[in-house]
Amino acid sequence: AQKITQTQPGMFVQEKEAVTLDCTYDTSDQSYGLFWYKQPSSGEMIFLIYQGSYDEQNATEGRYSLNFQKARKSANLVISASQLGDSAMYFCAMREGRAYNTDKLIFGTGTRLQVFP
Amino acid sequence: DAGVIQSPRHEVTEMGQEVTLRCKPISGHDYLFWYRQTMMRGLELLIYFNNNVPIDDSGMPEDRFSAKMPNASFSTLKIQPSEPRDSAVYFCASSPQTGPTQYFGPGTRLTVL
Repeated sequence: AQKITQTQPGMFVQEKEAVTLDCTYDTSDQSYGLFWYKQPSSGEMIFLIYQGSYDEQNATEGRYSLNFQKARKSANLVISASQLGDSAMYFCAMREGRAYNTDKLIFGTGTRLQVFP
Repeated sequence: DAGVIQSPRHEVTEMGQEVTLRCKPISGHDYLFWYRQTMMRGLELLIYFNNNVPIDDSGMPEDRFSAKMPNASFSTLKIQPSEPRDSAVYFCASSPQTGPTQYFGPGTRLTVL
């Protein structure tokens, strides 16, 4: 069963506007972590933001924030004031807790964001 | 601070040849991960180490793949013999014992002809 779902294969946003990239997840573990990574056309994977399942506040890192809705099992990435350099693939990922005795990340299929002037 | 270092960045080889990919994790990180990215399968974990010990190799596709971590600052992923379906981008990532975030290297783009 797919554990991370990103339903938007592609998104467009105008420069300086905000955009939300969707991510839903599935786990029966109480302790888990959610991540967003950015992959520009150059290919590297850049860590953006992390949210722990027990964190009460939504995570924020500069222009990035994670809209964490635990009951709905969603962890959407919000990018404020989009810039042309934000054009990239964005991956949502989950790491399940120690109960599963694993530290691996499970990735979604990604959303390609294009920012236009 | 130096990030995760991978070499080579690009590798083109012929079917049947041995391929060795190399990774140097971030100093002080206890976990090292090898991922593969393809269009068909996306990003998938191949194997990971904790303190140089392999913990989970369930993602290694078959016996042609092997990985080692002889010390805390070096790991290799070897494919022998290579096949065209092994063509992919191979990422190495590392994370500290105390934190969940995995930091990725730039990747090695492997093409097997």
